[in-house]
Amino acid sequence: EPEVTQTPSHQVTQMGQEVILRCVPISNHLYFYWYRQILGQKVEFLVSFYNNEISEKSEIFDDQFSVERPDGSNFTLKIRSTKLEDSAMYFCASTGQGNSPLHFGNGTRLTVT
Amino acid sequence: GESVGLHLPTLSVQEGDNSIINCAYSNSASDYFIWYKQESGKGPQFIIDIRSNMDKRQGQRVTVLLNKTVKHLSLQIAATQPGDSAVYFCAESKAAGNKLTFGGGTRVLVKP
Repeated sequence: EPEVTQTPSHQVTQMGQEVILRCVPISNHLYFYWYRQILGQKVEFLVSFYNNEISEKSEIFDDQFSVERPDGSNFTLKIRSTKLEDSAMYFCASTGQGNSPLHFGNGTRLTVT
Repeated sequence: GESVGLHLPTLSVQEGDNSIINCAYSNSASDYFIWYKQESGKGPQFIIDIRSNMDKRQGQRVTVLLNKTVKHLSLQIAATQPGDSAVYFCAESKAAGNKLTFGGGTRVLVKP
């Protein structure tokens, strides 16, 4: 069964550094998402992306965050200057149709020190 | 505001018994509801979804019930197996494909 793949599985970075989290959505999917889950808390929506532009974003997704689909297969989340509170699991998700369930990757654990 | 919450943080169930996981939601405009299972170290895995024009939907060993009158959602797992041990999340949105608002999760522990 096709899967959403995320790399790296664990990223450690120092506060103030830039990080790029990478995702390869399922190949024929058109809608892409990033969610995050701070340890012990709920999964939270960050951003949705369709047709090469952001379709919706949450209050969490401020100017420090950006997303990009640099080619036909990758979908990236960039955090320009990481803060301690950015430490979380970041999940990428995709779906083929706008009215279908989201399929999630296994996440990238980001640790900001 | 929008919120999705869970009644029980942990549910212990004997192997072979049925499990029922409950979820309350507050946004009456929500039209789409979904259950995910999350095992340790993995991402949420889709289990079953339901739209607001239905009150019941069945899958393989799972049934989702939706009561719009009291804004309540439940997931029933028949003949619970050790592999069902995980955290289960409900989530809701205005439509499938829109942003999901997740509940806090219920941990299901299956006792042999």
